[in-house]
Amino acid sequence: DIQMTQSPSSLSASIGDRVTITCRASQTISSFLNWYQQKSGKAPKLLIYAASSLQSGVPSRFSGSGSGTDFTLSISSLQPEDFATYYCQQSYTTPYTFGQGTKLEIK
Amino acid sequence: EVQLLESGGGLVQPGGSLRLSCAASGFTFSSYAINWVRQAPGKGLEWVSVISGSGGSTHYADSVKGRFTISRDNVKNTLYLQMNSLRVEDTAVYYCARPASGWATWDYWGQGTLVTVSS
Repeated sequence: DIQMTQSPSSLSASIGDRVTITCRASQTISSFLNWYQQKSGKAPKLLIYAASSLQSGVPSRFSGSGSGTDFTLSISSLQPEDFATYYCQQSYTTPYTFGQGTKLEIK
Repeated sequence: EVQLLESGGGLVQPGGSLRLSCAASGFTFSSYAINWVRQAPGKGLEWVSVISGSGGSTHYADSVKGRFTISRDNVKNTLYLQMNSLRVEDTAVYYCARPASGWATWDYWGQGTLVTVSS
């Protein structure tokens, strides 16, 4: 199975900050990497697909990059609604696996 | 509007069985592979299973292989997950999820249904 490792596990930041979350795959997955946002008690929401493509309706302050084994999710200027948990997920092969999540909290 | 609505969750004893349903609307159901993804209380997301649009191909996580069966009824536009030999560690919110394309980039999710396995 492909292991997905996210860092950090938690992150404290302020409104307006730029933050970056990293995700590493245990083997190459090309660009088969998605990012989701999840708020408490809600289903995940797709933010970024194919490593760097912005899902329709997602604000442009979100961006993704990377290929192979190393990926990043960046939020350019944090807004109050961005405080949530973020997950990376590989869509390269079954079993489709997620990172352990990064909880983004208000400083 | 695409909608996915799960049902069938509840409290079951270890070793018991439960069948989850996911009723779909707003898209051509048979054209999409559909997945089950679960989340244990306070934990991360775990992919469970996927079924192709025709129902002819299925895949499972090792943690549920041999105990869970995914199926679909393309006339009723409904996805199922038959869960047998349930374990305490199967306790989770179960989501059905539809991919934007392919099988595993999920742009639509249901609201989830809670399965609790406890004596």
